[in-house]
Parts: sequence; structure tokens; C-alpha cells
Amino acid sequence: ELKVEQNPLFLSMQEGKNYTIYCNYSTTSDRLYWYRQDPGKSLESLFVLLSNGAVKQEGRLMASLDTKARLSTLHITAAVHDLSATYFCAVDTGNQFYFGTGTSLTVIP
Amino acid sequence: DTEVTQTPKHLVMGMTNKKSLKCEQHMGHRAMYWYKQKAKKPPELMFVYSYEKLSINESVPSRFSPECPNSSLLNLHLHALQPEDSALYLCASSQHSLVYEQYFGPGTRLTVT
Repeated sequence: ELKVEQNPLFLSMQEGKNYTIYCNYSTTSDRLYWYRQDPGKSLESLFVLLSNGAVKQEGRLMASLDTKARLSTLHITAAVHDLSATYFCAVDTGNQFYFGTGTSLTVIP
Repeated sequence: DTEVTQTPKHLVMGMTNKKSLKCEQHMGHRAMYWYKQKAKKPPELMFVYSYEKLSINESVPSRFSPECPNSSLLNLHLHALQPEDSALYLCASSQHSLVYEQYFGPGTRLTVT
């Protein structure tokens, strides 16, 4: 069974600081997605990474994919309170689609 | 139109009831999905329809019955549910099956009493 693990599971960080969320997965795939979920809400697509070495940036968030290491990162730069949410990575292998365990991010003023 | 809509937003049902969840998209997507999400957990894939045919059924109990009447609509029929089935049910769609970005609806919060 495909396993997708994120760390940390919980992250509390001060505004203005930088941090990285890691997503490790257990099988070969070159397609990885990052989603954001606010409490009680649905999922919002953030990034789609479709090849080894892919890097995408939007505002204070940057995502990258290393398919050889089976690792994706979501880097947060100069965090602001509005980034507080749960972040999920998701991996698909063509016939399986699994979300990671999620990282609950709280940005403290 | 980049929206996936779901109805109802909230549903409370007894264990002997029969109800249906509905999902609609008008983006021309040919793949649609049902997910179940328990509190503070990641979504779990239940079903995938590709070109209106069921392509993935992740060993979901038969008390959940999906239906795809056409390429824009997806239903989830519920019967004889258990309290542990209470969760947020999310519908999503993508251009084609699995290998494309999925767009999620707002979800139906289901409570089984």
C-alpha cells in the first residue's frame, strides 16, 4: 500500500519566520499535489508538480519535487497569519491516489 | 465556471434512512471522485468515475452506492449507514482520471444518528 507521510504533523510558527514541510512517499511516482484546507472547509489546490526537479512558487509558498528521493517540500517564507491552515500533499501513481497525513500550521502574531 | 457544487451542505440521517448526496460540475471534466474525510484526518478516496464508468472502488461497503448519470453529475446513495460513517463527504473532478489536478466541492457534512 502506498504510504504518504508528512512532517511535522503540527507546526506553530511566528509571523515572519521561514519553515519547511516535508512529504515522503513510499512508491514510484512523478506526480505530486499540494492542497490547503481551512477548518470546516474543502480543499484548495495549491501546486501541481509533474516531474522530477519541478519547483513552483506562489506568494510566500514554494513547492518542490525530488522523485528519486520520493520527497516533496513546501517552503514557507516570512509566514503571515493568513497561512494558518492544514496542508496536505497527495500522490498519484495512476491507479492509486493517497493524501499525506497533513500538517496543521498555526502562525502566531 | 471552475466550481464543483455539492448538495446538501449538511445531512442528518437515521440508520434506517435512505438518502443521496449530489455533486455537479460544468468544467467538462471526465473524471469525478468521492472522498470521505473524518475530523483531523486526510481525505480517503472512495470511488472514481472515468468517462461515466466506475474505474476505482476502494473496497467501500455496499451501503454506499455511487452513480454517475452523465459526465456532469455524480451521486452517492446512502442506505443503512452506521454512526461511524459520519464524516465530511467531498466530491472532486478532474480533466481525466487521477493524473490531473482535482477540483474539490465544498463537501456534505453527514451525521448518522
